[in-house]
Amino acid sequence: SQKIEQNSEALNIQEGKTATLTCNYTNYSPAYLQWYRQDPGRGPVFLLLIRENEKEKRKERLKVTFDTTLKQSLFHITASQPADSATYLCAVYNQGGKLIFGQGTELSVKP
Amino acid sequence: NAGVTQTPKFQVLKTGQSMTLQCAQDMNHNSMYWYRQDPGMGLRLIYYSASEGTTDKGEVPNGYNVSRLNKREFSLRLESAAPSQTSVYFCASSEQGYTEAFFGQGTRLTVV
Repeated sequence: SQKIEQNSEALNIQEGKTATLTCNYTNYSPAYLQWYRQDPGRGPVFLLLIRENEKEKRKERLKVTFDTTLKQSLFHITASQPADSATYLCAVYNQGGKLIFGQGTELSVKP
Repeated sequence: NAGVTQTPKFQVLKTGQSMTLQCAQDMNHNSMYWYRQDPGMGLRLIYYSASEGTTDKGEVPNGYNVSRLNKREFSLRLESAAPSQTSVYFCASSEQGYTEAFFGQGTRLTVV
């Protein structure tokens, strides 16, 4: 079955630095990969979608890469701020059309 | 826009009791999902519905049933609640496969 793995260890960085989160997938080659943000007590909120033929996608301070050879996506937040502190989840639609999530990585940005 | 609405927000059940979690979306989406979220486990798919009248099992369907009553509503039923079903439940919808999903605010369920 398809598996999505994210670094389960929390990521702690200093304000102004770039945060980089990793998403690895196995047993499947998704055509699309998504990233979501989740704040405590809230549902996930969609951030970005990247297609398999796109190497990189940007939105303001966010950048996502998609390496289909490595089966990996990297999610970058540049010039990070304390307000960026949250859990970030990657997700793919599997061959049956079901949306499958990784376990998420908690990011903490310290002032 | 209301988006995806879940009821109730909080619920405490005794072991063996039954209940139904309600979910409704007003975005005319075809696909709807039920997930549970436990600490350190991320979001695990319980059931999925690609369209009205169709449902499919996800990763953790045991102990649950679902009904896609119409295009707007997708309910999740626990017939005989167990402490292992203590979790936060999220409903989501998307226009079709491959598009962004929208989530409800979640239902925090405790089974004692």
